Amino acid sequence: DTGVSQDPRHKITKRGQNVTFRCDPISEHNRLYWYRQTLGQGPEFLTYFQNEAQLEKSRLLSDRFSAERPKGSFSTLEIQRTEQGDSAMYLCASSLAETQYFGPGTRLLVL
Amino acid sequence: GENVEQHPSTLSVQEGDSAVIKCTYSDSASNYFPWYKQELGKGPQLIIDIRSNVGEKKDQRIAVTLNKTAKHFSLHITETQPEDSAVYFCALPKAGNMLTFGGGTRLMVKP
Repeated sequence: DTGVSQDPRHKITKRGQNVTFRCDPISEHNRLYWYRQTLGQGPEFLTYFQNEAQLEKSRLLSDRFSAERPKGSFSTLEIQRTEQGDSAMYLCASSLAETQYFGPGTRLLVL
Repeated sequence: GENVEQHPSTLSVQEGDSAVIKCTYSDSASNYFPWYKQELGKGPQLIIDIRSNVGEKKDQRIAVTLNKTAKHFSLHITETQPEDSAVYFCALPKAGNMLTFGGGTRLMVKP
């Protein structure tokens, strides 16, 4: 499978714990995006990388959130001191140009 | 910022009937209009897209029409099948290509 992959697919954690998600984009794609999707809503943009540079961050991305793409390939999204309101599906997408291809998502549940 | 309104929010059709979903937008600079299908527990999957230099694009049972003057674009599914049941999202790119999504349409195809 040469599509976008995400790991883990599901994560249950207790409030206050840190979690880290990984995204592996389609191999030749230089652009990588993170989105968050809550139940019944469309995905909302969080942040965007072009190669290793983080070019844009949404106001949704609080100080507890950090994303990296150290070598311009895979990316990680870390949430520190998780809160119940962080429970959502975290989606990664990649692109070469305007067409974005999404991964299967990581569903986070904060208890 | 970009505002995308999607209607209807739910749509129930009989197998074999057609389904139409419409999105309206406000940013006249938009020139790329994708549609995504999301099945339960999965990431959004691109099903068709259109660029502003054409008014209609068709791919088998799926078509998208674009009216730039009126600032709306629509997804048309003909001869619906039960496997078409899913949530459909329109989206618009902003600077940097991050997508703004519509609110989604839950399509139910009754056999």
